[in-house]
Amino acid sequence: AQKITQTQPGMFVQEKEAVTLDCTYDTSDPSYGLFWYKQPSSGEMIFLIYQGSYDQQNATEGRYSLNFQKARKSANLVISASQLGDSAMYFCAMREGNFNKFYFGSGTKLNVKP
Amino acid sequence: ETGVTQTPRHLVMGMTNKKSLKCEQHLGHNAMYWYKQSAKKPLELMFVYNFKEQTENNSVPSRFSPECPNSSHLFLHLHTLQPEDSALYLCASSQDLLSQNQPQHFGDGTRLSIL
Repeated sequence: AQKITQTQPGMFVQEKEAVTLDCTYDTSDPSYGLFWYKQPSSGEMIFLIYQGSYDQQNATEGRYSLNFQKARKSANLVISASQLGDSAMYFCAMREGNFNKFYFGSGTKLNVKP
Repeated sequence: ETGVTQTPRHLVMGMTNKKSLKCEQHLGHNAMYWYKQSAKKPLELMFVYNFKEQTENNSVPSRFSPECPNSSHLFLHLHTLQPEDSALYLCASSQDLLSQNQPQHFGDGTRLSIL
């Protein structure tokens, strides 16, 4: 089974609107961390936000927030007030208790329309 | 400016060539990683180094040979590659392997094309 699943290969959003990028994960380890990264066309992976499995509250970082639903094993990224510069690939990732392992999803390509 | 620098940015090589990819991190991290990113596939972890010691080899073919002389530098030596090895190779670093909440910081990658 895939460790990280991103079911939206591509998404469109109007500038200034909010958008939710889906991510579900699979682990039996009680201790894990979830990450979202942004990859512009230049190639660099940019860290956006982190959620720990024991965190009680959803993580927020500026315009980024993480909708963490532990029972459903989902960690969706919400981007508020989309900007043209948000157009990029977005990857969800998980780090399990064995910290050598870092799993990435297949990504969602977000296009922000003016 | 990224704290993780990869050179070269682009590399074209024949299947019989020998080349090396270089990664340098200026963040004081102790763990470094090599990833392969192929089109329409998830990022694949290749190698993990922690305090210069290799802790993970994710069943990578021996034509890829990593080297980590110190915590700041990581190399990937390439020899007799195949066309399917054409991909973006990303280097990353993190504080260590103990801090679960510490993200990995990535370089811009080397785009490798095998003729």
